[in-house]
Amino acid sequence: DGGITQSPKYLFRKEGQNVTLSCEQNLNHDAMYWYRQDPGQGLRLIYYSQIVNDFQKGDIAEGYSVSREKKESFPLTVTSAQKNPTAFYLCASSIQRHEQFFGPGTRLTVL
Amino acid sequence: KNEVEQSPQNLTAQEGEFITINCSYSVGISALHWLQQHPGGGIVSLFMLSSGKKKHGRLIATINIQEKHSSLHITASHPRDSAVYICAAHSGGSNYKLTFGKGTLLTVNP
Repeated sequence: DGGITQSPKYLFRKEGQNVTLSCEQNLNHDAMYWYRQDPGQGLRLIYYSQIVNDFQKGDIAEGYSVSREKKESFPLTVTSAQKNPTAFYLCASSIQRHEQFFGPGTRLTVL
Repeated sequence: KNEVEQSPQNLTAQEGEFITINCSYSVGISALHWLQQHPGGGIVSLFMLSSGKKKHGRLIATINIQEKHSSLHITASHPRDSAVYICAAHSGGSNYKLTFGKGTLLTVNP
């Protein structure tokens, strides 16, 4: 089945540690996105990539980093510089300028 | 101020009722999306529309470009429709950046 997978579903980390969230898609989509969701707020864009080996900052990129070495994969690293990393993280992909398909999300809790 | 506003924030209905969720946006857009998020967190795309009306089963989405307004209707609502419904606007341009509303929490009671 085609789709987007994110792992793990729940992630716990100690304050000050970097953590990498996985996002894989087998939809052959060019574009991939990372969003953050906090209670009472709309999704906010962290980073997006329209093509392999290229990515752009979104609205809240500080404290995050990404890579796009393969079309299928767009991992997100939450660094220790991110002041408030506890949140629900969603990955999405799309054919350019078409509807986005979302993964199941990863809930990150920093202790 | 969010450029995409949804109303109501919370909506409780009885099974079988007709539901309407509204979305207003303040920028020019090229497309508007309606998404559904279940309690587990995963998001499903329901509709993408740039004009007129789309229907899928009991769900209907409409958009009025001149008034910068879209509505999502659910006919014959069912408890399994309970979810957060989110509208998101694409303002155009070379990237595909979406601006999201905060969502409407719908609870349908049996």
